[in-house]
Amino acid sequence: AAGVIQSPRHLIKEKRETATLKCYPIPRHDTVYWYQQGPGQDPQFLISFYEKMQSDKGSIPDRFSAQQFSDYHSELNMSSLELGDSALYFCASSLRIGGGRATQYFGPGTRLTVL
Amino acid sequence: SQELEQSPQSLIVQEGKNLTINCTSSKTLYGLYWYKQKYGEGLIFLMMLQKGGEEKSHEKITAKLDEKKQQSSLHITASQPSHAGIYLCGADVVTGTASKLTFGTGTRLQVTL
Repeated sequence: AAGVIQSPRHLIKEKRETATLKCYPIPRHDTVYWYQQGPGQDPQFLISFYEKMQSDKGSIPDRFSAQQFSDYHSELNMSSLELGDSALYFCASSLRIGGGRATQYFGPGTRLTVL
Repeated sequence: SQELEQSPQSLIVQEGKNLTINCTSSKTLYGLYWYKQKYGEGLIFLMMLQKGGEEKSHEKITAKLDEKKQQSSLHITASQPSHAGIYLCGADVVTGTASKLTFGTGTRLQVTL
């Protein structure tokens, strides 16, 4: 079965540079989520999109922005990168059925290293 | 905000032994998910529990949600090296039409030969 695809898998950037992470959800899934996992920490919710509209926002810095496109893929744009942005970034997707609760399936993650 | 606490934080068991991981919530759980993560890799969905007293099994892994819906346990029978990894419980936080997961602190499992 098709899974969530994330690219790139690894990314190395310098401080103050910009990074773009891409996520391709499972086909026919209508919701995309972004999470950040720092070293030794649990994943923290950043932002989500349902049917191309932002549906919820978590602890996402103002330097970060995201969107979901007409083909349902999503991009997380990160500017003015800081050392503390080094983390694993996960994308997850789900298919909303009725009352808003749906299993999220995670991608393999993008490991961002900021030097 | 909802907080999830997992215990133990880490566990080393001998192959073939049984083990249990617990997840306790500060609030009622309306959707509790168990994921497994290999170091530095993605989260693999294991099971989802919604109803008080619910129990689900898949291969050698059984997850339960207590009647009060504030505690869940994950039990592995006859552990194998392939079970090694980090187990995360996640609570489904639904606000309006949006949903997001809040994760527990994780339990790192090592299985020795």
